[in-house]
Amino acid sequence: ETGVTQTPRHLVMGMTNKKSLKCEQHLGHNAMYWYKQSAKKPLELMFVYSLEERVENNSVPSRFSPECPNSSHLFLHLHTLQPEDSALYLCASSQSPGQMNTEAFFGQGTRLTVV
Amino acid sequence: AQSVAQPEDQVNVAEGNPLTVKCTYSVSGNPYLFWYVQYPNRGLQFLLKYITGDNLVKGSYGFEAEFNKSQTSFHLKKPSALVSDSALYFCAVRDPTGGFKTIFGAGTRLFVKA
Repeated sequence: ETGVTQTPRHLVMGMTNKKSLKCEQHLGHNAMYWYKQSAKKPLELMFVYSLEERVENNSVPSRFSPECPNSSHLFLHLHTLQPEDSALYLCASSQSPGQMNTEAFFGQGTRLTVV
Repeated sequence: AQSVAQPEDQVNVAEGNPLTVKCTYSVSGNPYLFWYVQYPNRGLQFLLKYITGDNLVKGSYGFEAEFNKSQTSFHLKKPSALVSDSALYFCAVRDPTGGFKTIFGAGTRLFVKA
């Protein structure tokens, strides 16, 4: 285990549903990230939180809403998604985005299917 | 703008042979470079990184990578491949002057045949 836990591992939801993805890190890191991984495409950085403050929002549609209540937990709230949003959603953490030379630790991901 | 390219979707190699997974990058300043590996149904795992210093970087599981500034490359290598090395490999670059973004390549799938 990497110290970053994501739940659920798999999620199937209809386009009118509301659901949330959860991420928890036990590494004492100050920065947390959401990435989207689609087949044969580069990882897409969605959101970055540093010390519970959102510091990066990469033009992500408003149907994705992040929440970071403390430095150990990160949520991604989902509503009225589209089938093209089906992907693997990865959470990651690092010591601090300000420390540019540190690597990220990833969770196992949530496989999301929108039907 | 920073970018990273992995020109091969897939690399096939026989067990025991050396392997190379290619990566080229583009950043405005001096790059921080990373390699990650992803096994099926798992998240990405850190393998190694280049920050500064010696151009040859050694990492986990016998992997190493060579930073070549003139060719803007950071190829991943291993002298003798194992079947268990079969996985998806991602190169990533961070421009220290570019804020919080780490840009990942599209990934290269490595198949090692017994």
